[in-house]
Amino acid sequence: GENVEQHPSTLSVQEGDSAVIKCTYSDSASNYFPWYKQELGKRPQLIIDIRSNVGEKKDQRIAVTLNKTAKHFSLHITETQPEDSAVYFCAASRTNFGNEKLTFGTGTRLTIIP
Amino acid sequence: EAQVTQNPRYLITVTGKKLTVTCSQNMNHEYMSWYRQDPGLGLRQIYYSMNVEVTDKGDVPEGYKVSRKEKRNFPLILESPSPNQTSLYFCASSLNRQGRQFFGPGTRLTVL
Repeated sequence: GENVEQHPSTLSVQEGDSAVIKCTYSDSASNYFPWYKQELGKRPQLIIDIRSNVGEKKDQRIAVTLNKTAKHFSLHITETQPEDSAVYFCAASRTNFGNEKLTFGTGTRLTIIP
Repeated sequence: EAQVTQNPRYLITVTGKKLTVTCSQNMNHEYMSWYRQDPGLGLRQIYYSMNVEVTDKGDVPEGYKVSRKEKRNFPLILESPSPNQTSLYFCASSLNRQGRQFFGPGTRLTVL
């Protein structure tokens, strides 16, 4: 089955700086890669996703890049703010861009230092 | 208000006592799914449902059952809970299999 590795497990950045979280996946058939944000004690929320037919997607301060050859994808957050502090999860699916069979990474705890 | 609800939110039970965690959505979503979240392991999919009467196993289905008799409800059944099923459980739904997933508030289950 699919295996998703996520790094780093914890990340602290100064407010205003950029943060990058990286994930690698094992199954070359994976084609859908969502990112979820989970604030302390709250439910996960989808923040951005990318499908394998594109290499990059951006939504305001967040962007995701995908390298299918190397089988890795990354989340980039620019101009970080205190409200960006949360645990971020990457995931991969090999079911034709669907939510079924989603395999998640183990999470990155991002702390923004004021 | 469009939402996914779960009940109960907290449950402490004993080994072997059957329990059901309910999940309901009011958005007419076709796709629903159950996940468990454990420290250091992230989220793992238990079961999912593409529509009424259509369910399939995720990565960790052992010890769990589900049913989808109505579009809005997707209960998770633990026939004989064991301590290794102590976890935080999330239900999620999306308009269809490719839609944005919305998660419920979570159910914290402790099995003694």
